[in-house]
Amino acid sequence: QKEVEQNSGPLSVPEGAIASLNCTYSDRGSQSFFWYRQYSGKSPELIMSIYSNGDKEDGRFTAQLNKASQYVSLLIRDSQPSDSATYLCAVGIGFQKLVFGTGTRLLVSP
Amino acid sequence: GAVVSQHPSRVICKSGTSVKIECRSLDFQATTMFWYRQFPKQSLMLMATSNEGSKATYEQGVEKDKFLINHASLTLSTLTVTSAHPEDSSFYICSAGTSGGPGELFFGEGSRLTVL
Repeated sequence: QKEVEQNSGPLSVPEGAIASLNCTYSDRGSQSFFWYRQYSGKSPELIMSIYSNGDKEDGRFTAQLNKASQYVSLLIRDSQPSDSATYLCAVGIGFQKLVFGTGTRLLVSP
Repeated sequence: GAVVSQHPSRVICKSGTSVKIECRSLDFQATTMFWYRQFPKQSLMLMATSNEGSKATYEQGVEKDKFLINHASLTLSTLTVTSAHPEDSSFYICSAGTSGGPGELFFGEGSRLTVL
């Protein structure tokens, strides 16, 4: 069974700090990886996608992928209280099919 | 990003009744849509893949006779929870992708079902 593991948190960081969210996955053949943000009671919102080893930056967000270690992470620079949410790691298992982790709850304190 | 709309956002029903949830892609055509279920403090679990013009593909453990999926057009998929019971109370979310890409999905707003 394909699995995606995340620490449930909460991860607490002060405003302005860097938040680091981690995810590991079991299927070595996975080729696509995604980070979604989900506010309480809302549906997920795509933040980043990454397909190749290395870093991918988009504004304050940086996704990092290491396929050899089966590890993907998300860094949020200059964290803001509005970033407080649950961050879901998702791995592609087929055409547009995703397996989600349980999510890491991030709390950014003013 | 692309817009996926779900309706209703909240529904309360009595045990034994059926509930229909609609999922629409507003500004693109989606040959494939996905239905997820999310219980409190848990992750999204894929229930089924909805294919336009053909039968849905259900994930293991999901009862196809209980969760009826119809994808009659390129912009609309419906999920009907038949003979709902309290254990079916959950957050149901649909999603669709805009291209042949591997999985940049856009999600509807979700539908919170409460079965009394």
